[in-house]
Amino acid sequence: GIQVEQSPPDLILQEGANSTLRCNFSDSVNNLQWFHQNPWGQLINLFYIPSGTKQNGRLSATTVATERYSLLYISSSQTTDSGVYFCAVVQNTNAGKSTFGDGTTLTVKP
Amino acid sequence: IAGITQAPTSQILAAGRRMTLRCTQDMRHNAMYWYRQDLGLGLRLIHYSNTAGTTGKGEVPDGYSVSRANTDDFPLTLASAVPSQTSVYFCASSVGGEQFFGPGTRLTVL
Repeated sequence: GIQVEQSPPDLILQEGANSTLRCNFSDSVNNLQWFHQNPWGQLINLFYIPSGTKQNGRLSATTVATERYSLLYISSSQTTDSGVYFCAVVQNTNAGKSTFGDGTTLTVKP
Repeated sequence: IAGITQAPTSQILAAGRRMTLRCTQDMRHNAMYWYRQDLGLGLRLIHYSNTAGTTGKGEVPDGYSVSRANTDDFPLTLASAVPSQTSVYFCASSVGGEQFFGPGTRLTVL
């Protein structure tokens, strides 16, 4: 099956800093999403971005499908950004089957 | 009801017992999913359903069964629970490839 690798596995930032999280995948995908799992365990949709670039406030994401990676940018980080960020993909040949990466754990210190 | 609800919120279960986790959505999404998340890891797909009346196996289906009698409900059954099924279980639905998650059920099998 498709492999999804996220980097870095852990990231510690000072409040106000910027960061880039990466998601690499091993095969062509139909769908790609970024999620934030907050410290209470809730999974929050950030972006649905199978290709191109999207922005939402301090967050933006870019997916280059032909090169099989996606990037999540967090600018001016806040303590509420802490949690785990997951990338999830659906292969072109595997409709309905979503594969998650193991996530990047972000800690933003005040 | 708004979005996806799951019940129970948490459960402690003796090994060998049968358990059904409930999931209901009110968004009329055709596709629904069950995932498990083990401590420190990403989500793994157990079963999915692309539309009412159909189901499919995900990455880790053994020991679990699902049914999809209607659009709104997608119950997950553990016929005879084992300690390795201790996990947090998330239900999701999707439209146009974008997935939306319920709050999760924390299950402990002793």
